[in-house]
Amino acid sequence: ELKVEQNPLFLSMQEGKNYTIYCNYSTTSDRLYWYRQDPGKSLESLFVLLSNGAVKQEGRLMASLDTKARLSTLHITAAVHDLSATYFCAVSNFGNEKLTFGTGTRLTIIP
Amino acid sequence: DVKVTQSSRYLVKRTGEKVFLECVQDMDHENMFWYRQDPGLGLRLIYFSYDVKMKEKGDIPEGYSVSREKKERFSLILESASTNQTSMYLCASGFGVGGANVLTFGAGSRLTVL
Repeated sequence: ELKVEQNPLFLSMQEGKNYTIYCNYSTTSDRLYWYRQDPGKSLESLFVLLSNGAVKQEGRLMASLDTKARLSTLHITAAVHDLSATYFCAVSNFGNEKLTFGTGTRLTIIP
Repeated sequence: DVKVTQSSRYLVKRTGEKVFLECVQDMDHENMFWYRQDPGLGLRLIYFSYDVKMKEKGDIPEGYSVSREKKERFSLILESASTNQTSMYLCASGFGVGGANVLTFGAGSRLTVL
């Protein structure tokens, strides 16, 4: 059974600081997704990582994938308040439409 | 933009009632999904469908059923609601692009079973 773990579950950080959210998964997977959820809202797609070593960046967020370590990271650079949200990673395999999600990381950016 | 519309944002039902949650997408996506979201547990897949009249069990199908009679509509049914089915239910649709299956989610339906 595929398990997806994120850590930390909660993260409170000051504006301007850097931090990393980790996503580990238990079995071989070749598709890794990051989603963002604002309070009271639904999920929106941030990144799709499709191969070992893939790196995607958007603004202050950068995601990477190491399929050998079964690990993805979401790095936040110089955090700003607007990044406060819950971030989810999810994994799937090619040819399988099912996405398995992690527990989420609730990020709070403190001014 | 793809839109996924869930019929009810908030529902309150009593134990034993039959509950229908409706989901409609407007972009001709092949795949549709129902997840439930609970604090500390993330999103857990209940059922998904990759074509009309096709359905596959997810990780937690017990106590639920689904219906997909038309491509754009995917319904989640609780035959006899129980208090442990109090949750946020999220519908999503998607299709494969370059090997990826990027989902678009609806706003969610928060169900309370008393």
